Amino acid sequence: NAGVMQNPRHLVRRRGQEARLRCSPMKGHSHVYWYRQLPEEGLKFMVYLQKENIIDESGMPKERFSAEFPKEGPSILRIQQVVRGDSAAYFCASSPLSEALSPGANVLTFGAGSRLTVL
Amino acid sequence: ELKVEQNPLFLSMQEGKNYTIYCNYSTTSDRLYWYRQDPGKSLESLFVLLSNGAVKQEGRLMASLDTKARLSTLHITAAVHDLSATYFCAPVLSNNDMRFGAGTRLTVKP
Repeated sequence: NAGVMQNPRHLVRRRGQEARLRCSPMKGHSHVYWYRQLPEEGLKFMVYLQKENIIDESGMPKERFSAEFPKEGPSILRIQQVVRGDSAAYFCASSPLSEALSPGANVLTFGAGSRLTVL
Repeated sequence: ELKVEQNPLFLSMQEGKNYTIYCNYSTTSDRLYWYRQDPGKSLESLFVLLSNGAVKQEGRLMASLDTKARLSTLHITAAVHDLSATYFCAPVLSNNDMRFGAGTRLTVKP
């Protein structure tokens, strides 16, 4: 089991370009979470998805950011027209089951993160 | 919206000393997780606390949960350098997702 795979690990973009970050959850995990971590700061929740559904996107900026988790393939966090303030580490995490169905099983397994630098 | 407050945010302590990190949260949550992050690394799960009064211990770390007070604590006993890291608490919301505190950056000095 390869764990949560994120790519690219490092991404450099110029202002105005698009950034696409990919996350493949652990095998058997159907819940994906995206978090952003600014330098020297904590994790900020962005979005929580299940396959083909966005469950909670209350942490996503209203513009330029979008996320999906298709039936097949990885979850993708897309940032359009990047600005310098988007420079951060973006962590994806996955979990196997709904917390409600299996309390305590919602231990998030985190990927290694994708570090975005906007020049 | 759930707010999660950890304190202190920065903690520098001597080896061998004891200290407690606090995690307060603003809405009802009956389950809470603690994670550790080393610099430049991803997060690693430490504890899951599933009910009011739950206490878990692993080595020099002990975590507890008081759901009535909306408070969790992470107690460090006889700190060692290897414990230097950032520690995050994460209560679980009613819709089954989590929110993380800002983290407590712990530095243990010889």
